[in-house]
Amino acid sequence: SQTIHQWPATLVQPVGSPLSLECTVEGTSNPNLYWYRQAAGRGLQLLFYSVGIGQISSEVPQNLSASRPQDRQFILSSKKLLLSDSGFYLCAWTSGARTQYFGPGTRLTVL
Amino acid sequence: EDQVTQSPEALRLQEGESSSLNCSYTVSGLRGLFWYRQDPGKGPEFLFTLYSAGEEKEKERLKATLTKKESFLHITAPKPEDSATYLCAVQGRGGSQGNLIFGKGTKLSVKP
Repeated sequence: SQTIHQWPATLVQPVGSPLSLECTVEGTSNPNLYWYRQAAGRGLQLLFYSVGIGQISSEVPQNLSASRPQDRQFILSSKKLLLSDSGFYLCAWTSGARTQYFGPGTRLTVL
Repeated sequence: EDQVTQSPEALRLQEGESSSLNCSYTVSGLRGLFWYRQDPGKGPEFLFTLYSAGEEKEKERLKATLTKKESFLHITAPKPEDSATYLCAVQGRGGSQGNLIFGKGTKLSVKP
């Protein structure tokens, strides 16, 4: 069966510091991978998606970037965090079927 | 522009009191409508996918239905463990690869 992991689970970072969040998927090959952000009182917002290694599409201009160095690994990064980057970050995958399956999430607080 | 609106924002039920959650959508060519359950501090858990008007799916106390403009999530005789936020999302033909448009969710509380 397929499993999706995210780490860290929680993170508190100062403004201006770098960021690296990691997502890995097990039990599937060549998945489509997605990064979403969920802010308080808002719906999930798609940030990036990837259909293969090295292939990244950005949905929203922002202070963040994404990379996919391996087939089942997806990384979300920032060089300098802003207060507005705080939120709950979710990774999701799909393979063939349209349904997206989500990971456990990372709670990021920027102070 | 694709859009999803969920109502009510919050719903309080007594255990055993059946009700329905609404998801209204506008999308250019529906490819799928998705229901998820999200517990506090956790990622959304997949419940159902509906593809065409008239389709229905059931799982335990939950039943999802779909029309051309909205979807309902019916909860029959809910229990306290059904308390969660329920999210609705749509995927349209005009969006990016697999892009889901989410509503803000309905927070359900079931009291014993």
